[in-house]
This record gives sequence, structure tokens and C-alpha cells, in this order.
Amino acid sequence: GAVVSQHPSWVICKSGTSVKIECRSLDFQATTMFWYRQFPKQSLMLMATSNEGSKATYEQGVEKDKFLINHASLTLSTLTVTSAHPEDSSFYICSAVGDRGLILNNEQFFGPGTRLTVL
Amino acid sequence: ELKVEQNPLFLSMQEGKNYTIYCNYSTTSDRLYWYRQDPGKSLESLFVLLSNGAVKQEGRLMASLDTKARLSTLHITAAVHDLSATYFCAVAQETSGSRLTFGEGTQLTVNP
Repeated sequence: GAVVSQHPSWVICKSGTSVKIECRSLDFQATTMFWYRQFPKQSLMLMATSNEGSKATYEQGVEKDKFLINHASLTLSTLTVTSAHPEDSSFYICSAVGDRGLILNNEQFFGPGTRLTVL
Repeated sequence: ELKVEQNPLFLSMQEGKNYTIYCNYSTTSDRLYWYRQDPGKSLESLFVLLSNGAVKQEGRLMASLDTKARLSTLHITAAVHDLSATYFCAVAQETSGSRLTFGEGTQLTVNP
């Protein structure tokens, strides 16, 4: 149980285009989803917290107009990188916290990640 | 602001040896997690530590938590090459729900 998927697993796009990444909780309902970015040899950096039906909360320094997050249902959150540039190239990882919070100890379950390369 | 520090950041060790990775955090917490990450992959959950004195073991890895010292350790016993990976600790602040703060990661290389 507690499986999180991401799609696509990797994407290469041209500079200036937009890219959408999907994060799905497959066997549980996710009240909260998190989006992280990880540069090579670095730790995970939290970008934003996404709650179903409400606006995402962005971390300081993350441009909300550039990284659009939509948490439209209890099983799906999307991250859209708008007008992507080479510096946006990174490994994007989502995680989800289940509605069975007490049982799952508020544990985050991580997706497999999406490798974005902007040319 | 919660800060999480891991030590060491890089660790090269021989097979068969023991070593400990340390994770210090700056404010009170009620949950601490250890993850493993292989190159190009996402995080794999290793341990969840929920209370002071908690100790969990899986194979050659053992994790412990001392909430009074704000310290967790990940002990490696008789390392094997397959343990080569990056290990992260992550701490949940008591007032932040499920939000995690990650350490910098420890890149472990086990040499034959």
C-alpha cells in the first residue's frame, strides 16, 4: 500500500516551453502533497505544499507564477513549470500524506521522481 | 527555524567495517525518518523513529533516536557494497504537521 506515481519519469523540452508533471496517490487518498526539487549531489528542497481544493503554499524563494501547482482531487496533484529555462533542469519529486494520518504517522510517501532537462 | 545537520557528508569505507552516521536537529520534534537514495532514483524509506530511545534495525542498518540530545544515529554493521547510496535523515517539527526538513545527506561508498 501507499504507492505514489509520477508521470512522466523524464522529460526533455526546449527553453520557453511549459512542462506538466503529475503526481498520483494510487491506493490512498492524499490530503496533502509536497513538491521537492533536487539538484545533483544536493538534498531535497521543498518547493511547495499542496492541499486538495486549496491554493498551494510556496516556500520562500519559489516563484508561484513559474511553478503552478494544482491539487484538483484527493489523488492527483500537478506541477507545471512554465516558460522553462535550462536552470530549471532538475529532479522533481512529489510526496503524499494519506488521509489515514494517525495510522500512517503522517508519513510522506515519495513518488519515483521526474527528471526534467531544459535545452 | 528547524535545522538538520548530518555528519559526515561523504563516507568511504571498506566492506566488513562498521560506521555511524549522525543526524542532529535544532528544535523539538516528534518524528524522525531515515531514507536511502540510489543514483537517479527517488527516496526509499528505511526507518521511522517516533519516540525517545527508539531503536529500529533492518539487516545491517540500525537507527536510534535521542530526543533529549536531538540526535539520531544510523549505524552500519559489517558494510557490504550494496549499501553504497546516499542516506538522508528528515525531521518533522512538532507544529508543522507532516512537513519535513531534510539533512544534507551522507554519500556512502563501500569499497570491496
